[in-house]
Amino acid sequence: GESVGLHLPTLSVQEGDNSIINCAYSNSASDYFIWYKQESGKGPQFIIDIRSNMDKRQGQRVTVLLNKTVKHLSLQIAATQPGDSAVYFCAETDDYKLSFGAGTTVTVRA
Amino acid sequence: EPEVTQTPSHQVTQMGQEVILRCVPISNHLYFYWYRQILGQKVEFLVSFYNNEISEKSEIFDDQFSVERPDGSNFTLKIRSTKLEDSAMYFCAYMGTGAGANVLTFGAGSRLTVL
Repeated sequence: GESVGLHLPTLSVQEGDNSIINCAYSNSASDYFIWYKQESGKGPQFIIDIRSNMDKRQGQRVTVLLNKTVKHLSLQIAATQPGDSAVYFCAETDDYKLSFGAGTTVTVRA
Repeated sequence: EPEVTQTPSHQVTQMGQEVILRCVPISNHLYFYWYRQILGQKVEFLVSFYNNEISEKSEIFDDQFSVERPDGSNFTLKIRSTKLEDSAMYFCAYMGTGAGANVLTFGAGSRLTVL
């Protein structure tokens, strides 16, 4: 069954501030996690991923944190920009199928 | 630009009609997927396709659905007799290899509206 969920459906953030999007999962067997960004009218786009043998991974302006003890995943966006407005999904897998969470809608205020 | 091309971008059909959604991957990959997203909801797994066979399917993927890769290029999703609740965005995806293994790359989607 589905095992991925996000804590908040919406997040409003001031431009330039940092954003934190949270996700909880329940499948202990999941060994790979991905954050996707979906802009209106488009398909999900890969942002960053992390394997279960890591607890932190950084990209350009984005950081993913993984806490396996409490089965929690977060995405941090530094200096949020208007172009970051989108729906963000976490996804997890322990095989070749991704399961998506419900998504958090991020709105950036100018 | 997405590395898969999906057609049509939008299709409106009458309930009970057959619909075929098409996906053309630019790169040659082995794992393909169809996902569905009802408006305002999460992305749901439908089916995975590997080596020209279905490898896994969800409960959503009932007998009304079928997938094919008829010519080694196009990857199609057919809905035999559409229902109102089939209205959704349908996304084709493929799985990367090497450093991108397990990452799904999605197409822009096909919007299906069933009246």
